[in-house]
Amino acid sequence: AQSVTQLDSQVPVFEEAPVELRCNYSSSVSVYLFWYVQYPNQGLQLLLKYLSGSTLVKGINGFEAEFNKSQTSFHLRKPSVHISDTAEYFCAVSGGETSGSRLTFGEGTQLTVNP
Amino acid sequence: NAGVTQTPKFQVLKTGQSMTLQCAQDMNHNSMYWYRQDPGMGLRLIYYSASEGTTDKGEVPNGYNVSRLNKREFSLRLESAAPSQTSVYFCASSRISHGNTEAFFGQGTRLTVV
Repeated sequence: AQSVTQLDSQVPVFEEAPVELRCNYSSSVSVYLFWYVQYPNQGLQLLLKYLSGSTLVKGINGFEAEFNKSQTSFHLRKPSVHISDTAEYFCAVSGGETSGSRLTFGEGTQLTVNP
Repeated sequence: NAGVTQTPKFQVLKTGQSMTLQCAQDMNHNSMYWYRQDPGMGLRLIYYSASEGTTDKGEVPNGYNVSRLNKREFSLRLESAAPSQTSVYFCASSRISHGNTEAFFGQGTRLTVV
């Protein structure tokens, strides 16, 4: 079965500082990887996705993520965060050997950007 | 463009009561999902429907039933609500393409069972 581990449950950071949210996954076959963002009292929306090709993926709102197959990681980064980036971020994987196209989510990382 | 619409947005039930959460999508997606979200546990899959006429259990199906009424609608039913089912429920849909499961989510239903 596939699984996702988000290594930090909470990440506080000051405005304009860089941030990295860490995600590791486990699967013995090729996978597709996603980062979703959830603003307070809202549903999830897609930030970016890795399907194939370049391991550096750019998404909305200035976020990017790098797929590292040898380390089974898909960390999310932003060089300079804004107050408006405060939200919960979820890493997700699909395409594993027993899950077909089902999405498996990590536990989430709460990013809090302070002035 | 409504996307995925869930009703109701909020609900309070007494233990033992039943209710149905409704979900509809207007993106002509084949697959639909029901998740529950609990603090510190991310989203856990309750049931999913890969296509019209099919449903399958996810990670936490106990206490729930689903109906894929047509391509647009996928409902989740709690037959006898329990306090452990207090959660935020999300419906999602996706167009499966070679495992590319980009999902689109509704706004959620906050359910409290007392």
